[in-house]
Amino acid sequence: QQQVKQSPQSLIVQKGGISIINCAYENTAFDYFPWYQQFPGKGPALLIAIRPDVSEKKEGRFTISFNKSAKQFSLHIMDSQPGDSATYFCAAKAAGNKLTFGGGTRVLVKP
Amino acid sequence: DADVTQTPRNRITKTGKRIMLECSQTKGHDRMYWYRQDPGLGLRLIYYSFDVKDINKGEISDGYSVSRQAQAKFSLSLESAIPNQTALYFCATSDFNGQYFGPGTRLTVL
Repeated sequence: QQQVKQSPQSLIVQKGGISIINCAYENTAFDYFPWYQQFPGKGPALLIAIRPDVSEKKEGRFTISFNKSAKQFSLHIMDSQPGDSATYFCAAKAAGNKLTFGGGTRVLVKP
Repeated sequence: DADVTQTPRNRITKTGKRIMLECSQTKGHDRMYWYRQDPGLGLRLIYYSFDVKDINKGEISDGYSVSRQAQAKFSLSLESAIPNQTALYFCATSDFNGQYFGPGTRLTVL
Protein backbone atom coordinates (compact mmCIF):
# COMPACT_ATOMS: atom_id res chain seq x y z
CA GLN A 1 0.00 0.00 0.00
CA GLN A 2 1.58 3.23 -1.16
CA GLN A 3 1.06 6.10 1.24
CA VAL A 4 2.07 8.61 -1.43
CA LYS A 5 0.46 8.18 -4.84
CA GLN A 6 2.09 9.89 -7.81
CA SER A 7 0.76 10.48 -11.30
CA PRO A 8 1.30 10.25 -14.19
CA GLN A 9 3.89 7.48 -14.49
CA SER A 10 5.30 9.11 -17.60
CA LEU A 11 4.97 12.40 -19.37
CA ILE A 12 6.07 13.77 -22.73
CA VAL A 13 6.17 17.53 -23.19
CA GLN A 14 7.47 19.80 -25.90
CA LYS A 15 10.34 22.16 -25.21
CA GLY A 16 8.95 25.32 -23.67
CA GLY A 17 5.83 23.59 -22.36
CA ILE A 18 4.69 23.00 -18.79
CA SER A 19 5.21 19.66 -17.04
CA ILE A 20 2.81 18.90 -14.20
CA ILE A 21 3.22 16.00 -11.77
CA ASN A 22 0.69 15.31 -9.03
CA CYS A 23 0.96 13.55 -5.68
CA ALA A 24 -1.60 12.65 -3.05
CA TYR A 25 -1.05 11.44 0.50
CA GLU A 26 -3.10 10.04 3.35
CA ASN A 27 -1.00 10.46 6.46
CA THR A 28 -1.73 13.82 8.07
CA ALA A 29 1.41 13.46 10.19
CA PHE A 30 3.59 14.23 7.16
CA ASP A 31 5.24 17.61 7.72
CA TYR A 32 7.66 18.08 4.85
CA PHE A 33 7.20 17.41 1.15
CA PRO A 34 10.32 17.27 -1.05
CA TRP A 35 10.68 16.56 -4.72
CA TYR A 36 13.66 14.65 -6.08
CA GLN A 37 15.09 14.59 -9.59
CA GLN A 38 16.93 11.53 -10.84
CA PHE A 39 18.99 11.21 -14.01
CA PRO A 40 19.90 7.78 -15.42
CA GLY A 41 22.79 6.21 -13.55
CA LYS A 42 22.55 8.71 -10.70
CA GLY A 43 20.98 8.86 -7.30
CA PRO A 44 17.97 11.09 -6.64
CA ALA A 45 18.85 14.70 -5.87
CA LEU A 46 16.73 17.12 -3.86
CA LEU A 47 15.08 19.60 -6.23
CA ILE A 48 12.64 21.63 -4.17
CA ALA A 49 10.62 21.14 -1.00
CA ILE A 50 7.66 22.64 0.85
CA ARG A 51 6.18 22.60 4.32
CA PRO A 52 2.39 22.35 4.83
CA ASP A 53 2.02 25.88 6.19
CA VAL A 54 2.82 27.26 2.72
CA SER A 55 0.58 26.88 -0.36
CA GLU A 56 3.19 27.52 -3.01
CA LYS A 57 6.96 27.63 -3.38
CA LYS A 58 8.87 28.65 -6.46
CA GLU A 59 12.53 28.16 -7.31
CA GLY A 60 13.43 29.22 -10.80
CA ARG A 61 11.32 27.26 -13.27
CA PHE A 62 10.15 24.79 -10.61
CA THR A 63 7.04 25.42 -8.50
CA ILE A 64 5.38 23.30 -5.83
CA SER A 65 1.67 23.85 -5.20
CA PHE A 66 0.33 22.44 -1.95
CA ASN A 67 -3.31 21.86 -0.99
CA LYS A 68 -3.44 20.79 2.64
CA SER A 69 -7.20 20.22 2.79
CA ALA A 70 -7.12 17.95 -0.26
CA LYS A 71 -3.87 16.31 0.86
CA GLN A 72 -2.37 16.89 -2.55
CA PHE A 73 0.72 18.58 -3.89
CA SER A 74 2.12 19.05 -7.34
CA LEU A 75 5.29 20.00 -9.18
CA HIS A 76 5.12 22.36 -12.13
CA ILE A 77 8.11 22.70 -14.46
CA MET A 78 7.71 25.87 -16.48
CA ASP A 79 9.42 26.38 -19.84
CA SER A 80 10.50 22.72 -19.86
CA GLN A 81 13.92 22.06 -21.39
CA PRO A 82 15.47 18.85 -22.78
CA GLY A 83 17.86 18.91 -19.82
CA ASP A 84 14.84 18.50 -17.52
CA SER A 85 14.28 15.00 -18.94
CA ALA A 86 14.58 12.81 -15.85
CA THR A 87 12.54 10.82 -13.37
CA TYR A 88 10.87 12.89 -10.66
CA PHE A 89 9.83 11.57 -7.27
CA CYS A 90 7.60 13.25 -4.75
CA ALA A 91 8.08 12.30 -1.13
CA ALA A 92 6.65 13.03 2.28
CA LYS A 93 8.37 13.05 5.64
CA ALA A 94 6.96 12.11 9.01
CA ALA A 95 8.73 12.00 12.36
CA GLY A 96 12.30 10.75 12.39
CA ASN A 97 13.27 12.13 9.00
CA LYS A 98 11.96 9.03 7.21
CA LEU A 99 10.76 9.67 3.70
CA THR A 100 7.90 7.90 1.92
CA PHE A 101 8.26 8.16 -1.84
CA GLY A 102 5.78 8.22 -4.67
CA GLY A 103 6.23 5.79 -7.56
CA GLY A 104 8.03 8.28 -9.81
CA THR A 105 7.27 10.08 -13.07
CA ARG A 106 9.50 9.78 -16.09
CA VAL A 107 9.53 13.10 -17.93
CA LEU A 108 10.73 13.41 -21.51
CA VAL A 109 11.08 16.90 -22.98
CA LYS A 110 11.18 16.84 -26.77
CA PRO A 111 13.24 19.51 -28.54
CA ASP B 1 26.69 12.72 -4.74
CA ALA B 2 30.47 12.31 -4.47
CA ASP B 3 29.98 12.83 -0.72
CA VAL B 4 28.12 9.51 -0.57
CA THR B 5 29.83 6.60 -2.28
CA GLN B 6 28.60 3.08 -2.87
CA THR B 7 30.48 -0.07 -3.80
CA PRO B 8 30.12 -2.02 -5.95
CA ARG B 9 28.20 -0.04 -8.60
CA ASN B 10 27.07 -3.19 -10.34
CA ARG B 11 26.88 -6.77 -9.13
CA ILE B 12 25.57 -9.98 -10.59
CA THR B 13 25.20 -12.88 -8.21
CA LYS B 14 23.45 -16.22 -7.96
CA THR B 15 20.53 -17.33 -5.85
CA GLY B 16 21.61 -18.32 -2.35
CA LYS B 17 24.81 -16.32 -2.30
CA ARG B 18 25.63 -13.86 0.46
CA ILE B 19 26.36 -10.37 -0.75
CA MET B 20 27.32 -7.11 0.92
CA LEU B 21 26.77 -3.61 -0.41
CA GLU B 22 28.85 -0.87 1.14
CA CYS B 23 28.22 2.81 1.67
CA SER B 24 30.58 5.53 2.84
CA GLN B 25 29.94 9.21 3.43
CA THR B 26 32.08 12.26 4.05
CA LYS B 27 29.21 14.60 4.92
CA GLY B 28 29.54 14.03 8.65
CA HIS B 29 25.88 13.09 9.01
CA ASP B 30 24.71 10.80 11.79
CA ARG B 31 21.66 9.54 9.91
CA MET B 32 22.02 6.96 7.14
CA TYR B 33 19.52 4.95 5.12
CA TRP B 34 19.26 2.06 2.68
CA TYR B 35 16.57 2.04 -0.01
CA ARG B 36 15.72 -0.17 -2.93
CA GLN B 37 14.25 1.21 -6.15
CA ASP B 38 11.94 -0.78 -8.38
CA PRO B 39 10.13 0.54 -11.47
CA GLY B 40 6.78 2.07 -10.56
CA LEU B 41 7.34 1.63 -6.83
CA GLY B 42 9.66 4.53 -6.16
CA LEU B 43 12.17 4.07 -3.37
CA ARG B 44 11.32 1.90 -0.40
CA LEU B 45 13.15 2.05 2.91
CA ILE B 46 14.98 -1.10 3.96
CA TYR B 47 16.87 0.01 7.09
CA TYR B 48 17.92 3.24 8.70
CA SER B 49 20.35 4.30 11.38
CA PHE B 50 20.32 7.51 13.39
CA ASP B 51 23.74 6.87 14.91
CA VAL B 52 26.27 4.07 15.28
CA LYS B 53 24.30 2.38 18.06
CA ASP B 54 20.85 2.88 16.55
CA ILE B 55 19.58 0.56 13.79
CA ASN B 56 15.94 0.40 12.71
CA LYS B 57 13.94 -1.65 10.27
CA GLY B 58 12.22 0.07 7.40
CA GLU B 59 9.16 -1.05 5.49
CA ILE B 60 10.86 -3.93 3.62
CA SER B 61 13.62 -5.30 5.88
CA ASP B 62 12.89 -9.03 5.45
CA GLY B 63 15.83 -10.80 3.78
CA TYR B 64 18.25 -7.95 4.57
CA SER B 65 20.56 -7.02 7.42
CA VAL B 66 22.77 -4.00 8.05
CA SER B 67 25.86 -3.02 9.94
CA ARG B 68 26.88 0.49 11.02
CA GLN B 69 30.63 0.13 11.40
CA ALA B 70 31.29 3.82 12.01
CA GLN B 71 29.53 7.13 11.57
CA ALA B 72 30.73 7.18 7.97
CA LYS B 73 30.00 3.56 7.01
CA PHE B 74 26.73 1.67 6.65
CA SER B 75 26.63 -1.74 4.96
CA LEU B 76 23.68 -3.72 3.64
CA SER B 77 23.82 -7.52 3.46
CA LEU B 78 21.69 -10.06 1.69
CA GLU B 79 22.31 -13.29 3.59
CA SER B 80 20.89 -15.55 0.90
CA ALA B 81 20.06 -13.62 -2.25
CA ILE B 82 16.90 -14.41 -4.21
CA PRO B 83 15.84 -13.20 -7.68
CA ASN B 84 13.18 -10.80 -6.41
CA GLN B 85 15.94 -8.85 -4.67
CA THR B 86 17.11 -7.77 -8.11
CA ALA B 87 16.85 -3.99 -7.90
CA LEU B 88 18.70 -0.71 -7.70
CA TYR B 89 19.93 -0.02 -4.17
CA PHE B 90 20.62 3.43 -2.79
CA CYS B 91 22.33 4.61 0.34
CA ALA B 92 21.49 8.06 1.70
CA THR B 93 22.42 10.38 4.53
CA SER B 94 20.39 13.24 5.93
CA ASP B 95 20.46 16.48 7.80
CA PHE B 96 17.62 18.91 8.56
CA ASN B 97 17.65 20.09 4.95
CA GLY B 98 16.94 16.72 3.39
CA GLN B 99 18.38 13.43 2.25
CA TYR B 100 21.44 12.99 0.04
CA PHE B 101 21.76 9.90 -2.07
CA GLY B 102 24.69 7.90 -3.35
CA PRO B 103 24.95 6.84 -7.00
CA GLY B 104 23.36 3.44 -6.43
CA THR B 105 24.26 -0.22 -6.82
CA ARG B 106 22.56 -2.23 -9.53
CA LEU B 107 22.14 -5.77 -8.18
CA THR B 108 21.05 -8.70 -10.31
CA VAL B 109 20.29 -12.05 -8.68
CA LEU B 110 20.15 -14.93 -11.15
